[in-house]
Amino acid sequence: NAGVMQNPRHLVRRRGQEARLRCSPMKGHSHVYWYRQLPEEGLKFMVYLQKENIIDESGMPKERFSAEFPKEGPSILRIQQVVRGDSAAYFCASTDRYQETQYFGPGTRLLVL
Amino acid sequence: DAKTTQPTSMDCAEGRAANLPCNHSTISGNEYVYWYRQIHSQGPQYIIHGLKNNETNEMASLIITEDRKSSTLILPHATLRDTAVYYCIVRDPLTGNQFYFGTGTSLTVIP
Repeated sequence: NAGVMQNPRHLVRRRGQEARLRCSPMKGHSHVYWYRQLPEEGLKFMVYLQKENIIDESGMPKERFSAEFPKEGPSILRIQQVVRGDSAAYFCASTDRYQETQYFGPGTRLLVL
Repeated sequence: DAKTTQPTSMDCAEGRAANLPCNHSTISGNEYVYWYRQIHSQGPQYIIHGLKNNETNEMASLIITEDRKSSTLILPHATLRDTAVYYCIVRDPLTGNQFYFGTGTSLTVIP
């Protein structure tokens, strides 16, 4: 029973490029959450999605960041025109329909040069 | 944002029980207490959660006070691999979409 998968595990981008982070939830899970962790800080919630719906994006920066969870395929967190301050670890978590426990993936470490 | 208070750091001798406290004095009736840990820079790992009653699983025990204003996570026989940051989180699964991760407790298990 595979856990939450994220890829790539490490991503290097130059300022102004786009970053795409993928998250495949656990089998049977239809809810996905994205979190960002800056160095030496705790995780901060970004967005909560169900299939084809954004339920809560209260933690998403207003510009350059977007997320989707299509009917087929992984959830995508997209960062356009990356800046150095976007360098962080991005974690996704998934739950089943009862949303009781979130299970986290290994994260994607984004480095912006 | 975080509704919990935890000590910043703790040490524990290998083989001994590690008792990690958490205060959540504003917890509401429908909110569960969750514990996660993060080893180095890996993804947070679920440990245990509970509402009112004490809970035990293969990893740990969770003791919740009768008034639910505080709880303690117990790792019965700490090993070096238990060195991690431990997060105590309160959340209503029906209304709360996110987990609020505070700064947690950095537990160091000493040989």
